[in-house]
Amino acid sequence: DTGVSQDPRHKITKRGQNVTFRCDPISEHNRLYWYRQTLGQGPEFLTYFQNEAQLEKSRLLSDRFSAERPKGSFSTLEIQRTEQGDSAMYLCASSFRDRDPEAFFGQGTRLTVV
Amino acid sequence: GENVEQHPSTLSVQEGDSAVIKCTYSDSASNYFPWYKQELGKRPQLIIDIRSNVGEKKDQRIAVTLNKTAKHFSLHITETQPEDSAVYFCAARRRGSSNTGKLIFGQGTTLQVKP
Repeated sequence: DTGVSQDPRHKITKRGQNVTFRCDPISEHNRLYWYRQTLGQGPEFLTYFQNEAQLEKSRLLSDRFSAERPKGSFSTLEIQRTEQGDSAMYLCASSFRDRDPEAFFGQGTRLTVV
Repeated sequence: GENVEQHPSTLSVQEGDSAVIKCTYSDSASNYFPWYKQELGKRPQLIIDIRSNVGEKKDQRIAVTLNKTAKHFSLHITETQPEDSAVYFCAARRRGSSNTGKLIFGQGTTLQVKP
C-alpha cells in the first residue's frame, strides 16, 4: 500500500451519462474525503466519511452526486446525468485521525463532459 | 462562512531568491494550517504544516509563520531552485470534537523560479 489510489485517472463522457469513480485510501486511514478542483482553483470539499458513515456533505454536492463507502475501506463517487459544469479533477484524500491531521491525496480523476 | 484567501496568485523569482506566499483565514476556530505543493498533473503533496499552538516552523529551506490574532499565515521559501516551480496551496482546518477534518483551501499561487 503505497498511498491513495484513484481510478480511472481520466474519464471523458457525454453530457447526460452517469459516471462512477473509485478511491482506495491508505489502509489504516478511517477518514476519507472527496474534493473537486477546477482549473486554476484550490480543491473544494465535497464530502467526508469516517469509516462507512458519511458525516458531512457540501452544498456543492447536488442531488446528482452520491458517494458511498460501504465497508469503510474504498469509496465511490457517482455523478448522474452529467453536465458540462461537472468537468473537473475529482480528488480523494485520506487521513488517520484527528490527532494526525495530515491528509494524503490521490492523483485524482479528471472528468471531461462533452 | 469558512474562507481562505491566498496571495499572490502568481509569483516569479530568480533562482536563489526568496519567495513568500500569504494566506488569511476567516474561521477563528481553525487550528491546523498545511501547505501543499502541486506540480502539473500530479497530486497535491504536503510540504509543511503548522498547528495553532506554534508561531513558526521551519524545515530546511521552507518555513511557515502563523499570526493567530491577525488570522494570517505565510509560507517562506529561501534559496529557491527551479524544481520549486509549482502551484502552492494553503489550507485551514477547524478544531473541535465535531470537526470532520475537512480542509478549506486558498486559491493557489503559481510559483515560477527562473534559472
